[in-house]
Amino acid sequence: AQSVAQPEDQVNVAEGNPLTVKCTYSVSGNPYLFWYVQYPNRGLQFLLKYITGDNLVKGSYGFEAEFNKSQTSFHLKKPSALVSDSALYFCAVRDGRSYIPTFGRGTSLIVHP
Amino acid sequence: DAGVIQSPRHEVTEMGQEVTLRCKPISGHDYLFWYRQTMMRGLELLIYFNNNVPIDDSGMPEDRFSAKMPNASFSTLKIQPSEPRDSAVYFCASSLSVSSYEQYFGPGTRLTVT
Repeated sequence: AQSVAQPEDQVNVAEGNPLTVKCTYSVSGNPYLFWYVQYPNRGLQFLLKYITGDNLVKGSYGFEAEFNKSQTSFHLKKPSALVSDSALYFCAVRDGRSYIPTFGRGTSLIVHP
Repeated sequence: DAGVIQSPRHEVTEMGQEVTLRCKPISGHDYLFWYRQTMMRGLELLIYFNNNVPIDDSGMPEDRFSAKMPNASFSTLKIQPSEPRDSAVYFCASSLSVSSYEQYFGPGTRLTVT
């Protein structure tokens, strides 16, 4: 079984400040972890993924995520938030044997000018 | 590549009518997924296909829902008869056949059943 939790429904941050969107997961075996972003009236768009290797993964639009095996977390981060980063962010996990990811409920990121 | 293409983008229909949603996956992708997104339930996987064959349809809510993939470049999701509780955004997504690969989502079809 696999599951993912995004503990915050909404994250508010001021433009220029660092941002973190949290994600924890549960899988049997090695996790494949993904972050997606959804802008209003659009489909989900892939941001980054962790499969193996370096725990710090860099992705699109200046986002990065850190894989922490001991804490079973994969938090999304960005050093300096932009108003245009305001969107809905989804974390997803799958184990190595499954092609089907499990998505979190999503976290709404609001960046204030 | 144009990405995953869905049509129509918006559909408004009356309860009891048949609704057909269409999807064209990215060329070369072996997997195709249909999702439904609502505020209450979030993103739900309805069904997925591998090489045009339905693999798991356990997420399909009722017999009123059916999906087909007659060839590698086209899939449909049909609701008959439609009900107001079917109102949602329906997404199609595709991916390559390696488990490490991400999914690519279409823009979605916003369905409103009155």
